[in-house]
Amino acid sequence: AQSVSQHNHHVILSEAASLELGCNYSYGGTVNLFWYVQYPGQHLQLLLKYFSGDPLVKGIKGFEAEFIKSKFSFNLRKPSVQWSDTAEYFCAVGNTGGFKTIFGAGTRLFVKA
Amino acid sequence: DTAVSQTPKYLVTQMGNDKSIKCEQNLGHDTMYWYKQDSKKFLKIMFSYNNKELIINETVPNRFSPKSPDKAHLNLHINSLELGDSAVYFCASSQGASDTQYFGPGTRLTVL
Repeated sequence: AQSVSQHNHHVILSEAASLELGCNYSYGGTVNLFWYVQYPGQHLQLLLKYFSGDPLVKGIKGFEAEFIKSKFSFNLRKPSVQWSDTAEYFCAVGNTGGFKTIFGAGTRLFVKA
Repeated sequence: DTAVSQTPKYLVTQMGNDKSIKCEQNLGHDTMYWYKQDSKKFLKIMFSYNNKELIINETVPNRFSPKSPDKAHLNLHINSLELGDSAVYFCASSQGASDTQYFGPGTRLTVL
């Protein structure tokens, strides 16, 4: 069955700490991979995506993610978080050319000022 | 210009009532979605439409009926509302079903 697993449900960090959020998926075929962010009281918006090519992708606000095909993983990283990064982060996976994108359960990040 | 808009933003109603949520996108996308986000922030897809055709119906109760009058609109009608329907409902659109989705601001539905 298709699934997306985010390992950390809640993460608390101090400003300037490094961040890594895990995402693993179970999905047949070629996949498109996404990280979305939902700031408090707002809608989801795209942070970054991977369709093909360089497995290390860079997104907005200094975020990056690495696709490791052998591990079925797409972990999100940021070297130094800011208070404004406090948000819910969702990993999402879809079949290339398919009609369904599955979202992980989300990771709530709280950054202490 | 708002890319994906939803109305209303808040909806408070009594159990048993019928209500509708409207969604419009001005991005020219061919695929639209409805998601339900519960109090724990879990995001679950309900429906997906591609070129006005229903593509995905994720075992949503029959009380929920989507309608897509054209590619730019996907409305959600809910009959006989129940307490468990309380959630935030997000509309989204994309060009092609596996591409980046653009989300609306959400409709917070509270059933009393």
